Amino acid sequence: QQQVKQSPQSLIVQKGGISIINCAYENTAFDYFPWYQQFPGKGPALLIAIRPDVSEKKEGRFTISFNKSAKQFSLHIMDSQPGDSATYFCAASSGSARQLTFGSGTQLTVLP
Amino acid sequence: GAGVSQTPSNKVTEKGKYVELRCDPISGHTALYWYRQSLGQGPEFLIYFQGTGAADDSGLPNDRFFAVRPEGSVSTLKIQRTERGDSAVYLCASSLGLAGGVEQFFGPGTRLTVL
Repeated sequence: QQQVKQSPQSLIVQKGGISIINCAYENTAFDYFPWYQQFPGKGPALLIAIRPDVSEKKEGRFTISFNKSAKQFSLHIMDSQPGDSATYFCAASSGSARQLTFGSGTQLTVLP
Repeated sequence: GAGVSQTPSNKVTEKGKYVELRCDPISGHTALYWYRQSLGQGPEFLIYFQGTGAADDSGLPNDRFFAVRPEGSVSTLKIQRTERGDSAVYLCASSLGLAGGVEQFFGPGTRLTVL
């Protein structure tokens, strides 16, 4: 059962543009929502994370928007750069174990 | 400080063989996780350790998979009678766990290829 659905599968953006990746979840027990960035041959690296008590969190060029009633959250990358080209994963977790349930990933390409 | 390290970085084995994959977490992190990532997919949870004990092994696909963490630090994922379908990148992550902090930090992974 896929509990976190991510879209789009791939995204091409011009340098300086805004990249937007969306995720939807089913399990209402989820209470922690991180985004990871992964380059080829590397492990996922934590970018930014949010809890459902806030609707938005911003760190530098990265912003998470969270809609608890719709069970959706999204990542916005402002002023996208070619160095941002990577695969992005949303994830969610709950409880004391905190095992992460990942989305299927979005391959972002930022054109120079 | 040093991040999560995993060895080997690549492992090629033949169907039916036994393999061990090692994870060295960030010092002081009491929680350790194993995930498996197939090509083009997100990581999938396998097992979670809090200290020395396996607190949740619900993600292990079958009894050919086993993991240990005898001293609460280094962990080894063991796969018996490997099958071609076991080919994937095996990722390890650690966090402060119950000591505080839910952020999971991943290692570079071990790419397992079963011929």
